[in-house]
Amino acid sequence: AQSVAQPEDQVNVAEGNPLTVKCTYSVSGNPYLFWYVQYPNRGLQFLLKYITGDNLVKGSYGFEAEFNKSQTSFHLKKPSALVSDSALYFCAVSEGSGGFKTIFGAGTRLFVKA
Amino acid sequence: GAVVSQHPSWVICKSGTSVKIECRSLDFQATTMFWYRQFPKQSLMLMATSNEGSKATYEQGVEKDKFLINHASLTLSTLTVTSAHPEDSSFYICSARDEYEQYFGPGTRLTVT
Repeated sequence: AQSVAQPEDQVNVAEGNPLTVKCTYSVSGNPYLFWYVQYPNRGLQFLLKYITGDNLVKGSYGFEAEFNKSQTSFHLKKPSALVSDSALYFCAVSEGSGGFKTIFGAGTRLFVKA
Repeated sequence: GAVVSQHPSWVICKSGTSVKIECRSLDFQATTMFWYRQFPKQSLMLMATSNEGSKATYEQGVEKDKFLINHASLTLSTLTVTSAHPEDSSFYICSARDEYEQYFGPGTRLTVT
């Protein structure tokens, strides 16, 4: 069964500094990896995904993530954080295509201080 | 990108009543839809996987007689919370899947008084 771990409940960063939100995963087959962001009382917004190809994936709002197969990681990064990036971030993994379900990590709350 | 809608966006009901939540894929056909539940400040927990024309597959610990799921067409799935109780109050999110990705609805906030 697949699983995903976000080891940090909260990440604090100053505006303008780079940010990293960590994610590790476990699947038996090829992973499909995703990052979503959620603002208070809102649904999920898709940021980016890795299915195949380049290990560095670029997504919405200047975010990117790097797929590392040997470390089974898919950390979310942004070179320069904005206060408006403050939100709850979820890493998710599904195994292969078809009707496989997507499992979410516990979420990491990002606080960007001005 | 693909759009998934949910209706209603929020609902308040009295304890003991039933509530139906609709999930629609607006511009694609979804053979598989998923229902998630999210408690405040927590992650999304998968409740069930719904395939068009067949019975839903429920995750362990989810009461299938309480959370009735119907996937009657390729664009519509419904979740009915039967005999709702205050502990059923939560944020319910549906999603629909194509070959590579799940698209999420905006969520429905259910409050049971």
